[in-house]
Amino acid sequence: AQSVTQLGSHVSVSEGALVLLRCNYSSSVPPYLFWYVQYPNQGLQLLLKYTSAATLVKGINGFEAEFKKSETSFHLTKPSAHMSDAAEYFCAVSKFGNEKLTFGTGTRLTIIP
Amino acid sequence: DADVTQTPRNRITKTGKRIMLECSQTKGHDRMYWYRQDPGLGLRLIYYSFDVKDINKGEISDGYSVSRQAQAKFSLSLESAIPNQTALYFCATSDSTVVQDSWDEQYFGPGTRLTVT
Repeated sequence: AQSVTQLGSHVSVSEGALVLLRCNYSSSVPPYLFWYVQYPNQGLQLLLKYTSAATLVKGINGFEAEFKKSETSFHLTKPSAHMSDAAEYFCAVSKFGNEKLTFGTGTRLTIIP
Repeated sequence: DADVTQTPRNRITKTGKRIMLECSQTKGHDRMYWYRQDPGLGLRLIYYSFDVKDINKGEISDGYSVSRQAQAKFSLSLESAIPNQTALYFCATSDSTVVQDSWDEQYFGPGTRLTVT
């Protein structure tokens, strides 16, 4: 079975600082990996996805993530945090692309002015 | 207009009542999903449907049932609501056709906040 672990349920960074949100996965087969963002009182929106085409994946709003098989990780980064990045972020894994996503428990990102 | 809509957006109900949450989509997608979100637990899959005649249980289907009335409509029912079903419920859709870069993305509705007292 596939699973993901998000380290840190709450992360705070200063505006302009590096954002690093951690996600480790467990999968018996090469996984499809996703990062979703949830802004307050909204549904989830896809930030980026890994589907084996490239290990460094660029997404929307300046976010990127690197797939590291040796570390079973798919950490999300952004070089410079903006106030509008404050949200909850979910890592998710799937065995077959868009089928049956398994989500992590989420990381709430707070931006300090 | 939103591509994936959920009704109601908020609902308070009493223990033992039957309640239905509805989801409609205009994206033309064949696959639809119901998730629930609880603080500290992320989203968990309740049921999913790959087409009108295909309904599958997710990891937490006990106490829930679903109906796929049409390709665009997927309803979630709680036959006898209980307090631990208080949660935020999301509907999502995806497209099984492998022709576009976005085929493996799920699109989420705005959610229904359900409180069972």
